Amino acid sequence: AQSVTQLDSQVPVFEEAPVELRCNYSSSVSVYLFWYVQYPNQGLQLLLKYLSGSTLVKGINGFEAEFNKSQTSFHLRKPSVHISDTAEYFCAVSDHRGSTLGRLYFGRGTQLTVWP
Amino acid sequence: GAVVSQHPSRVICKSGTSVKIECRSLDFQATTMFWYRQFPKQSLMLMATSNEGSKATYEQGVEKDKFLINHASLTLSTLTVTSAHPEDSSFYICSASNRGHPGTEAFFGQGTRLTVV
Repeated sequence: AQSVTQLDSQVPVFEEAPVELRCNYSSSVSVYLFWYVQYPNQGLQLLLKYLSGSTLVKGINGFEAEFNKSQTSFHLRKPSVHISDTAEYFCAVSDHRGSTLGRLYFGRGTQLTVWP
Repeated sequence: GAVVSQHPSRVICKSGTSVKIECRSLDFQATTMFWYRQFPKQSLMLMATSNEGSKATYEQGVEKDKFLINHASLTLSTLTVTSAHPEDSSFYICSASNRGHPGTEAFFGQGTRLTVV
């Protein structure tokens, strides 16, 4: 089975500062990796995903993440955050098995709070 | 990206009644739909996986008689919370994927906030 660890439950940061949200995973098979953002009382919006190829993935809203297979990590970064980036961020993995394609294993989430 | 519509967004019901939540894929065929439950300040926990035309597969600890899932068509899945109790109050989110597109992520509905009083 897969598991995801988000090392920080809360990350406070000032506006225009850089931010990194950490994510590590464990799996015995190849996985797909995702970062989602959730605003209060809303569903999840995909920020970016890694399926294969280049290990540096660029997503929406200026976010990017780097897949590191040796460290089993997929950390999310943004060079300069805005107040509107304040939200809950979830890292997730899914495996390649066709029968359960789309089934995601989520981390506990990281609350990013951007202060003016 | 693809659109998944979940309805209602909020519902308040009396204890003992049943509530139905709909999840529709608007512009693609959802061969598989997933139902998640999210407690405050916590992550999403998978409740069940449903494939179109077959019975849902429930995760361990989820009561299948209480959380009825129907996936009768490629664009619609429903979750019915039967005989709801206050402890069933939660945020329920569906997601949909298509096995015909490997690597495609699951698309999420907007979620339903259920409050049982």
